Amino acid sequence: KAGVTQTPRYLIKTRGQQVTLSCSPISGHRSVSWYQQTPGQGLQFLFEYFSETQRNKGNFPGRFSGRQFSNSRSEMNVSTLELGDSALYLCASSFSRGETQYFGPGTRLLVL
Amino acid sequence: AQTVTQSQPEMSVQEAETVTLSCTYDTSESNYYLFWYKQPPSRQMILVIRQEAYKQQNATENRFSVNFQKAAKSFSLKISDSQLGDTAMYFCAFIDYGQNFVFGPGTRLSVLP
Repeated sequence: KAGVTQTPRYLIKTRGQQVTLSCSPISGHRSVSWYQQTPGQGLQFLFEYFSETQRNKGNFPGRFSGRQFSNSRSEMNVSTLELGDSALYLCASSFSRGETQYFGPGTRLLVL
Repeated sequence: AQTVTQSQPEMSVQEAETVTLSCTYDTSESNYYLFWYKQPPSRQMILVIRQEAYKQQNATENRFSVNFQKAAKSFSLKISDSQLGDTAMYFCAFIDYGQNFVFGPGTRLSVLP
């Protein structure tokens, strides 16, 4: 089976812009979670989607949003980018909630 | 709140030696899963090993094994016969059904030739 894929792999944006990141889970996986990874804060949970519904949300401002489509693909959107949003954004999929998560390669976002 | 603590920010080990990475967690649940993930430099996060809390037997995967002490809420990872390719950040993680994955801050392991 193909692994979790994320596009794009790298992004450079400027403050105030918005960005959309995409994640395609492993075939058959219905749960998709998003994480932000930074050197200072480590891995922080953003949100989890299962069957097109957001099931859990981390402690991030409303500028961070996401959605999941009927084919389980997921997107996350960050509006009004700030310098502090520069990070590696990781997507992980699992067959169901509470099961082993498999990670994608991440999207590295740089905000200038 | 559930938390995961990794008290060793950095460790190093000589090639072919054995190293143990520590992890403690805090939860009031009785059924949960614990994981060790590995993130090599500039590479993808991959699962190393998984342990179900209801299983008393410690999980093993080739050179990787865990020491799971449920009462002490401790979940250490032992890497035997360390190889250069084991150089990575290692994250301990916890989940109980229906909750978020909670990751520890990570331990940066360097395997020295």
